[in-house]
Amino acid sequence: DIQMTQSPSSLSASLGDRLTITCRASQSISSYLNWYQQRPGKAPKVLIYGASNLEGGVPSRFSGSGSGTDFTLTISSLQPEDSATYYCQQSYSTPWTFGQGTKVEI
Amino acid sequence: QVQLQESGPGLVKPSETLSLICTVSGGSITNHYWSWIRQPPGKGLEWIGHIYYTGDTNYNPSLKSRVTISLDTSWDQFSLHLTSVTAADTAVYYCARRSTYYSNSGDYFWFEAWGQGTLVSVSS
Repeated sequence: DIQMTQSPSSLSASLGDRLTITCRASQSISSYLNWYQQRPGKAPKVLIYGASNLEGGVPSRFSGSGSGTDFTLTISSLQPEDSATYYCQQSYSTPWTFGQGTKVEI
Repeated sequence: QVQLQESGPGLVKPSETLSLICTVSGGSITNHYWSWIRQPPGKGLEWIGHIYYTGDTNYNPSLKSRVTISLDTSWDQFSLHLTSVTAADTAVYYCARRSTYYSNSGDYFWFEAWGQGTLVSVSS
């Protein structure tokens, strides 16, 4: 299985901050990397697919980059509704695997 | 817009079988992959497996010996059966639809639509 490791596990930030979350794969996964946002008590929601493609309806303050083994999710200007846990997920090979999550508090 | 809804018992006894159904509305079950994903309380996400509308399946090796995912196209439903459950199987179970983007550089997959999730507890 491909192991996905996120950092940090949690962070606290302020409104308007620029925030970066990293995700590292245990082997090269090209650009087969997705990012999800999960608010408490809710199902995950996709933000980014294919490492850098913004899902329709997702605010443009979210962006993704990277390829190979190292990826980043950036929120350019943190908003109150961005308080959530963020997960990366590889779609290079089954079993599809997720990172352990990064909890963002505002 | 497609909607997914999980249903089934919220409590299962150890050693018994966990059975859930996902009902799809607002879209066809054909031409898509349908997954089950679970999340133990306070923990991360684990992909259980998926089924294609043709009936082809792919399971997570960590659960493969205990999992069956099946499809009922006439009712636009797919189901999960997990046998010999233990407390470690206590989790919120989600059903999800996979989306695909075909490009010259490759085929990209992601989970675009999710059910709200249902908590299944394993306890005597």
